[in-house]
Amino acid sequence: GAVVSQHPSRVICKSGTSVKIECRSLDFQATTMFWYRQFPKKSLMLMATSNEGSKATYEQGVEKDKFLINHASLTLSTLTVTSAHPEDSSFYICSASPFRQGNSPLHFGNGTRLTVT
Amino acid sequence: GQNIDQPTEMTATEGAIVQINCTYQTSGFNGLFWYQQHAGEAPTFLSYNVLDGLEEKGRFSSFLSRSKGYSYLLLKELQMKDSASYLCAVRKATDSWGKLQFGAGTQVVVTP
Repeated sequence: GAVVSQHPSRVICKSGTSVKIECRSLDFQATTMFWYRQFPKKSLMLMATSNEGSKATYEQGVEKDKFLINHASLTLSTLTVTSAHPEDSSFYICSASPFRQGNSPLHFGNGTRLTVT
Repeated sequence: GQNIDQPTEMTATEGAIVQINCTYQTSGFNGLFWYQQHAGEAPTFLSYNVLDGLEEKGRFSSFLSRSKGYSYLLLKELQMKDSASYLCAVRKATDSWGKLQFGAGTQVVVTP
């Protein structure tokens, strides 16, 4: 089945530094990947759509200069949290699907737990 | 926008049945997904409904009524490993295919 790998699984960084999270589709090509964020006991919220070879599409309220997305190949998207602050501490999850159809489920990576101190 | 409501927590005994309800309000419904998420892990796909009716997959079944904006996930013959959060997610017709609106999840606790 479709497998999405995410790295790192856990990262702790100091306030003001930047953190890069990688998302890879292991057994399929993904022209589009999705980045979600989840706060404790809250729902997953879509942050942005990563498009291979073009600019990412950000959801309303998400700062594109703070959450930099690069989708340089058909199997890799990266999310960089720049100048991280404690309020950016969250669970970040990427997702993708081998098919762009209505009934195709999204397959999620295992997530990255970011803690900013 | 849309609201997706599901209970916060449910507790059931091993071997029993639990039904998790999800109600939603959306303009332009285009499918409802159920995912299972263990703590600190990725959500895994369970079921998809876009037409009214019941979809059965082994111990798990999902039901949809579009006119009522209502779905449920039925878990039968509960096992300890079923203890997890169950997420209801809706897709809007006007959104991109990969954008899902998630509920906050229902934490199911299975006791011996």
